[in-house]
Amino acid sequence: RKEVEQDPGPFNVPEGATVAFNCTYSNSASQSFFWYRQDCRKEPKLLMSVYSSGNEDGRFTAQLNRASQYISLLIRDSKLSDSATYLCVVNLASTGTASKLTFGTGTRLQVTL
Amino acid sequence: EPEVTQTPSHQVTQMGQEVILRCVPISNHLYFYWYRQILGQKVEFLVSFYNNEISEKSEIFDDQFSVERPDGSNFTLKIRSTKLEDSAMYFCASSDVGYEQFFGPGTRLTVL
Repeated sequence: RKEVEQDPGPFNVPEGATVAFNCTYSNSASQSFFWYRQDCRKEPKLLMSVYSSGNEDGRFTAQLNRASQYISLLIRDSKLSDSATYLCVVNLASTGTASKLTFGTGTRLQVTL
Repeated sequence: EPEVTQTPSHQVTQMGQEVILRCVPISNHLYFYWYRQILGQKVEFLVSFYNNEISEKSEIFDDQFSVERPDGSNFTLKIRSTKLEDSAMYFCASSDVGYEQFFGPGTRLTVL
């Protein structure tokens, strides 16, 4: 089983649509969780950390279900500029340590007019 | 806004040559990392570095790879004898005492 699994997509949605991405992770000892976005041939950029209570940042909402080892990202009112690959990322460590991030392969989103 | 910088943006080298990739992490960060991404594949961890020593390394990070923090600002990745399969984007990242890691723009390494 892959350490972090995501649907590769692509997800093609019209501007203004709501789109949801899902991710599962295999290591139940994982401590911290993130969504990064990556534009073509660019670096991953931190979109948001994901907390057990769920968190929202503008049009973006992330949820974590530790029991199911499942992470989600919801994007409301999609913009053309949201077109990118969304990377689900987990870390075995909590704060204060240098620990590796484990990346999923990413889900590609294309928002169209 | 502080950011991680990397040089060069693109490096072309012959198989068997040594390359050094350079990074300047965010200035108050304590933890440093190298990752790589082969074209079309996922981002993979190579090594983490803290307090002037390697904290963790992956299976990819074999004897051909080394890291160094030669001064208070730079963090380097050296590949001693490059192979064709080392062709990839190499990303440097840094973090403070939290766990959010911030990535540099990457160096595209092409081995011919």
